[in-house]
Amino acid sequence: GAVVSQHPSWVICKSGTSVKIECRSLDFQATTMFWYRQFPKQSLMLMATSNEGSKATYEQGVEKDKFLINHASLTLSTLTVTSAHPEDSSFYICSARALAGAKDTQYFGPGTRLTVL
Amino acid sequence: GQSLEQPSEVTAVEGAIVQINCTYQTSGFYGLSWYQQHDGGAPTFLSYNALDGLEETGRFSSFLSRSDSYGYLLLQELQMKDSASYFCAVKVGGSQGNLIFGKGTKLSVKP
Repeated sequence: GAVVSQHPSWVICKSGTSVKIECRSLDFQATTMFWYRQFPKQSLMLMATSNEGSKATYEQGVEKDKFLINHASLTLSTLTVTSAHPEDSSFYICSARALAGAKDTQYFGPGTRLTVL
Repeated sequence: GQSLEQPSEVTAVEGAIVQINCTYQTSGFYGLSWYQQHDGGAPTFLSYNALDGLEETGRFSSFLSRSDSYGYLLLQELQMKDSASYFCAVKVGGSQGNLIFGKGTKLSVKP
């Protein structure tokens, strides 16, 4: 089946620093990748949709200058949390869209747990 | 606005059958998906319904009624490893649209 990886799996950083999270589709090409944030015991909230070769589409309330997304190739998207603050501590999950016949399925990465001190 | 409702918690015993319901109010509905998420892990895809009816995949089945804006996930022959959170997610905006997730149902399977 389709595999999506994320790196790093966890990161602890100081307030004010920037953190980059990578999302890769390992065995398929993904023209579209999605970035979600999940707080403890909460649902997944879509942050942005990343399309290869074009600017990301951000959901309402998500600051595009704070959460920089780059979809450099059909297998790689990156999310950079700039000037991170403790309130940015969360579980960040990416997903990649794969087309399997008539079905359009999103495959999720294992997530990155960000802790900002 | 868009909203999905599903029970917050369900408890069942090993070997039993459990049904997790999901009702939705969305515009641009295209299909209903179900995902499983174990604590600390990523969601894994279980099933997808675009048309009314039942989709069966092993011990799991998913049902959709578009006229009732309702679907459910049916888990049979429950096993301890099925203890997890289950999210229904509505796809909106067409075949290339986004997923809107429900708040999840935490299933606890007891011996």
